[in-house]
Amino acid sequence: KAGVTQTPRYLIKTRGQQVTLSCSPISGHRSVSWYQQTPGQGLQFLFEYFSETQRNKGNFPGRFSGRQFSNSRSEMNVSTLELGDSALYLCASSYYPGGNTEAFFGQGTRLTVV
Amino acid sequence: AQTVTQSQPEMSVQEAETVTLSCTYDTSESDYYLFWYKQPPSRQMILVIRQEAYKQQNATENRFSVNFQKAAKSFSLKISDSQLGDAAMYFCAYRSAKDGRAQKLVFGQGTRLTINP
Repeated sequence: KAGVTQTPRYLIKTRGQQVTLSCSPISGHRSVSWYQQTPGQGLQFLFEYFSETQRNKGNFPGRFSGRQFSNSRSEMNVSTLELGDSALYLCASSYYPGGNTEAFFGQGTRLTVV
Repeated sequence: AQTVTQSQPEMSVQEAETVTLSCTYDTSESDYYLFWYKQPPSRQMILVIRQEAYKQQNATENRFSVNFQKAAKSFSLKISDSQLGDAAMYFCAYRSAKDGRAQKLVFGQGTRLTINP
């Protein structure tokens, strides 16, 4: 069974550009959540989706957005990139949200903004 | 808002020895879930162990066990018979049960564990 797949693995963008990251969950999983990991702020929750609906959003500016498709694949978009957006972006999927269900993580997308 | 604190940025242990990683959390909720995740250099987060707050019995998974002290809001991870493959960043995480369908995890800052051969 394939794990959570995030593409691309590495990305270099220029300030002011926008970027789209993709996450394909484990087959059968319908819940997807996104996290930003930086050395200074650690792991911070961005948003979560279940059945194409955003169920929760973290404390990030409106430049950060996401969506989930009918096949449960998810994308996140960051517009008008800033240097501080450089981070590892992690996606996690689970069969259903909540409870003690295990969230399976992808290997992340390393975004560098120059 | 819930917070999770890991007070040990780095820990080291000799191979085959036992090490305990500390985690405290702050919440006003009575029902929640706690997790320990491991992040090796590959960057992929891997679940090590989980604990439901309503269960008094401490969770155990092979060489990994927790000491869950609900009143003290403490959730430490004990690794017995440490192996070289245990070297990684370890994150303590909290999930609220208030919204039964919320997936959000609140993470601590992490503890980097080094295993000395």
